Amino acid sequence: SQTIHQWPATLVQPVGSPLSLECTVEGTSNPNLYWYRQAAGRGLQLLFYSVGIGQISSEVPQNLSASRPQDRQFILSSKKLLLSDSGFYLCAWSALRMTDNEQFFGPGTRLTVL
Amino acid sequence: GENVEQHPSTLSVQEGDSAVIKCTYSDSASNYFPWYKQELGKRPQLIIDIRSNVGEKKDQRIAVTLNKTAKHFSLHITETQPEDSAVYFCAAGGGADGLTFGKGTHLIIQP
Repeated sequence: SQTIHQWPATLVQPVGSPLSLECTVEGTSNPNLYWYRQAAGRGLQLLFYSVGIGQISSEVPQNLSASRPQDRQFILSSKKLLLSDSGFYLCAWSALRMTDNEQFFGPGTRLTVL
Repeated sequence: GENVEQHPSTLSVQEGDSAVIKCTYSDSASNYFPWYKQELGKRPQLIIDIRSNVGEKKDQRIAVTLNKTAKHFSLHITETQPEDSAVYFCAAGGGADGLTFGKGTHLIIQP
């Protein structure tokens, strides 16, 4: 069966510090991968998606970036965090089938920028 | 791009009553409409989904209806129980470029 991992689970970082969040998927090949952010009490905002290694699409302009160095690894980064980057970051995957886009979410990383 | 509107933002119902959450979408190309339940501090979990070739789908106390002409879909929960309390998100999509989520509905089940 497929599983999705994220780490760290929680993170407290000062403003201006760098960020690296990691997501890995097991039990599937060539998944579509996604990064979402959820601000406190708010909905899910799609940040990035990837359909393959090295292929990243950005949905919103921001100081975050994403990379996919391996088929089942997705990384979210920032060179300098802002207060507004605080939130719950969720990675998700879906099978690479255009007519079946069910997404499965990882456990999430709760980021607090102080 | 796709735009999904979800109502209400908060819904309080008596235990045992029914709850209905409604969503509209804008992109007629969307063909996949999932509903997720998110308990406090946890990841969203898929509870039911519907595809555009189906008008209604039911799974025990949960049902979803889809009106493609009007571009709206709804979640129905019958005989609500305390464990149904959570935030519910609708979403619309269909390709590889991700789902567009509604802003969520906080469902409160009053004992």
